[in-house]
Amino acid sequence: AQSVTQPDIHITVSEGASLELRCNYSYGATPYLFWYVQSPGQGLQLLLKYFSGDTLVQGIKGFEAEFKRSQSSFNLRKPSVHWSDAAEYFCAVEKDSSYKLIFGSGTRLLVRP
Amino acid sequence: AAGVIQSPRHLIKEKRETATLKCYPIPRHDTVYWYQQGPGQDPQFLISFYEKMQSDKGSIPDRFSAQQFSDYHSELNMSSLELGDSALYFCASSPRTPLHHYEQYFGPGTRLTVT
Repeated sequence: AQSVTQPDIHITVSEGASLELRCNYSYGATPYLFWYVQSPGQGLQLLLKYFSGDTLVQGIKGFEAEFKRSQSSFNLRKPSVHWSDAAEYFCAVEKDSSYKLIFGSGTRLLVRP
Repeated sequence: AAGVIQSPRHLIKEKRETATLKCYPIPRHDTVYWYQQGPGQDPQFLISFYEKMQSDKGSIPDRFSAQQFSDYHSELNMSSLELGDSALYFCASSPRTPLHHYEQYFGPGTRLTVT
């Protein structure tokens, strides 16, 4: 069965610093992978997705993610973090070609001024 | 751009009462998903509908039921509410087109509090 692991519960970075949020998945075939962001009390916003092709995908708000099959990873990156990026970030995988998403436990990003 | 609309945004109910949550998908999206997110938890899939038919079912209690109507809006009906049902309930929609059918767009959620 597919699963998603986000090893970091909290991450704190300084504004302007680079960011990498880790995501590891468990899936036999090429998965469909997603990153969502959730601001406090808000819904989930799709940042980017990977289906196939180029392993480096660009998303909204300056985020990118790289699919690495050999490491079963899909880490999210941003070269320079803004204070408005403080939120909870969820990695997700599509389950069994069923269109439903399995989410990781989330990583809460705190941004220091 | 139009987004997924959920109503109400907040709902307070007592134990053993019933609640109805509504979801209006993005125009031309024919698939609706419901997720439950408990405090400090990740969203958990409940149920989904495609073209008004239930397409998949997750960890949805028997006390809950849902349907999708002819205008593609969906309602989640919850009966005999329990304290543990307190959570944020998300609806998501997606189009069934070859390129985009895996993209789920989430609404702002309905926060249900059971007292």
